[in-house]
Amino acid sequence: SSELTQDPAVSVTLGQTVRITCQGHSLRIYYASWYQQKPGQAPVLVMYGKNKRPSGIPDRFSGSNSGNTASLTITGAQAEDEADYYCDSRDSSSSHVLFGGGTKVTVI
Amino acid sequence: EVQLVQSGTEVKKPGESLKISCKGSGYSFTNYWIGWVRQMPGKGLEWMGIIYAGDSDTRYSPSFQGQVTISVDKSISTAFLQWSSLKASDTAMYYCARRESETDAEYLQHWGQGTLVTVSS
Repeated sequence: SSELTQDPAVSVTLGQTVRITCQGHSLRIYYASWYQQKPGQAPVLVMYGKNKRPSGIPDRFSGSNSGNTASLTITGAQAEDEADYYCDSRDSSSSHVLFGGGTKVTVI
Repeated sequence: EVQLVQSGTEVKKPGESLKISCKGSGYSFTNYWIGWVRQMPGKGLEWMGIIYAGDSDTRYSPSFQGQVTISVDKSISTAFLQWSSLKASDTAMYYCARRESETDAEYLQHWGQGTLVTVSS
């Protein structure tokens, strides 16, 4: 099917670890990319390919892949990590691009 | 420095036409794909389509095929998103972004600041 599924919301205690997942058939073929979006701002790329971080993204962000699931892990979450996180990938059946529905991460 | 600068906020009435822009600078504009992303109020990101600036090869998401037109003017390093007849449901923030492509990954590293489009009678 042509979908990427994310949990709508997760919460994490300050300094603890949170994993955000993205599931979809296309992830068996293509790597996901991950974007962080804070209120009123454009999305920012935080992870792409096989666990690659763009310059300037803290190393507490890491990525992994297994089967049809891509994961973004924040190890030692900070208050500034509170945001919406979206995954994207190519659709395996059409070559179009898909976005996941987004996960709201709350740091408590 | 790579920059994508989008045109400003628009307030339109239903049925009106609109063309918003995304100007690239700091890189070779014609060597990259530019994508457009919609974000309706309080909602997630939606992929609309993409255009290769070098030859205007355009791919639309099925949800947006026939609803919008994506184009590019290489001479001014600018991509466009246009509507011929706006609807209230077109009210959203629209982002352009440059699509990067590597051997094992495709991603959107550089984004415009967004253009807010409000359609209301």
